Amino acid sequence: GAVVSQHPSWVICKSGTSVKIECRSLDFQATTMFWYRQFPKQSLMLMATSNEGSKATYEQGVEKDKFLINHASLTLSTLTVTSAHPEDSSFYICSAAGLLDSPLHFGNGTRLTVT
Amino acid sequence: GQQVMQIPQYQHVQEGEDFTTYCNSSTTLSNIQWYKQRPGGHPVFLIQLVKSGEVKKQKRLTFQFGEAKKNSSLHITATQTTDVGTYFCAGRDKRGYQKVTFGIGTKLQVIP
Repeated sequence: GAVVSQHPSWVICKSGTSVKIECRSLDFQATTMFWYRQFPKQSLMLMATSNEGSKATYEQGVEKDKFLINHASLTLSTLTVTSAHPEDSSFYICSAAGLLDSPLHFGNGTRLTVT
Repeated sequence: GQQVMQIPQYQHVQEGEDFTTYCNSSTTLSNIQWYKQRPGGHPVFLIQLVKSGEVKKQKRLTFQFGEAKKNSSLHITATQTTDVGTYFCAGRDKRGYQKVTFGIGTKLQVIP
């Protein structure tokens, strides 16, 4: 089946620093990648939709300048949490979709802790 | 915007009992997907339903898509401890549109 690799799986950083998370589709070309945030015991909250070669579409309430998304190729999207603060601590998960109407394939997620 | 409601949020069952989670969309869906997330893990795709009234089975799991394509259910027969996890439905409201809206999820706990 389709594989999506997300790196790193966990990261601890100091307040004020930036953290980059990578999401790669290993065996298929992902026309669209999605970035989610999941708080403990809660559902997946979509942050933004990323299409290769174009600007990401952010959901309402998500700060574009804080969560920078780059989708440079059909197999790689990155999420950079800029000037991280403790309230940004969360579980971030990417997913990728290939063909239209196809299921989503999720990365393993990144546990971010900001101290 | 589209909303996907899912109930119940939590369910504790004795091993061997059946379990059902229900999903309801505010809009007619193009298709609906079901995912399972184990504690500490990421969501894993289970199945996609496309046709009105569709029923699909995977061993002890039965998935249904309503006639109006606005609701869906997942039924597990004779639960096992390996069924523990959170089950999410995710609805796509437009054909050819990749974005899906997730339900809140149903956390299933199976008591041995």
